[in-house]
Amino acid sequence: AQSVTQLDSQVPVFEEAPVELRCNYSSSVSVYLFWYVQYPNQGLQLLLKYLSGSTLVKGINGFEAEFNKSQTSFHLRKPSVHISDTAEYFCAVSDLRSSGSARQLTFGSGTQLTVLP
Amino acid sequence: ETGVTQTPRHLVMGMTNKKSLKCEQHLGHNAMYWYKQSAKKPLELMFVYSLEERVENNSVPSRFSPECPNSSHLFLHLHTLQPEDSALYLCASSQETRYEQYFGPGTRLTVT
Repeated sequence: AQSVTQLDSQVPVFEEAPVELRCNYSSSVSVYLFWYVQYPNQGLQLLLKYLSGSTLVKGINGFEAEFNKSQTSFHLRKPSVHISDTAEYFCAVSDLRSSGSARQLTFGSGTQLTVLP
Repeated sequence: ETGVTQTPRHLVMGMTNKKSLKCEQHLGHNAMYWYKQSAKKPLELMFVYSLEERVENNSVPSRFSPECPNSSHLFLHLHTLQPEDSALYLCASSQETRYEQYFGPGTRLTVT
């Protein structure tokens, strides 16, 4: 079984400051990793994904994440945040054992990012 | 319409009512999902349909009944719900051979 831990439930940060949202996962096999963002009263939107290749992946809205296999982490970063980045962010993992039927994601409990003026 | 749509966006129902949530995907995907999102809890996967067959039922109470008539539509039929069933219900879809899931905006359900 796989699991995802988002270490911070809430992260307040001032506008234009850098931010890192932490995600650690547990799995006995190789995984695919995702970050989603949820704005108030909306569904989840895919920010970025790691499937293979370069461990540094870039996503929408200036976000990037780095896959670290030895530390089983996939932290999300942005060098300068904006008020509009205020939202909840979810890390998710899918292990490569899934076959045949639909792939399934395991989600973390989320991190609320609040950007302060 | 594009992406994944859900109707209604808000629903208030009594414990003895019967209602249905509808999800439609316009992405050509062949897998669809129902999730429950409650405050302060991780997303809970409820049901998974792949090629219109249910492949996952995560110990969901029988008062929730899914239906997938074709690869573009997914329903969640509700009856005799409890107040603790109040939550945001999210629908998602994916292409079976790919891993990303695309979500609808959700239905905010309140059971009184």
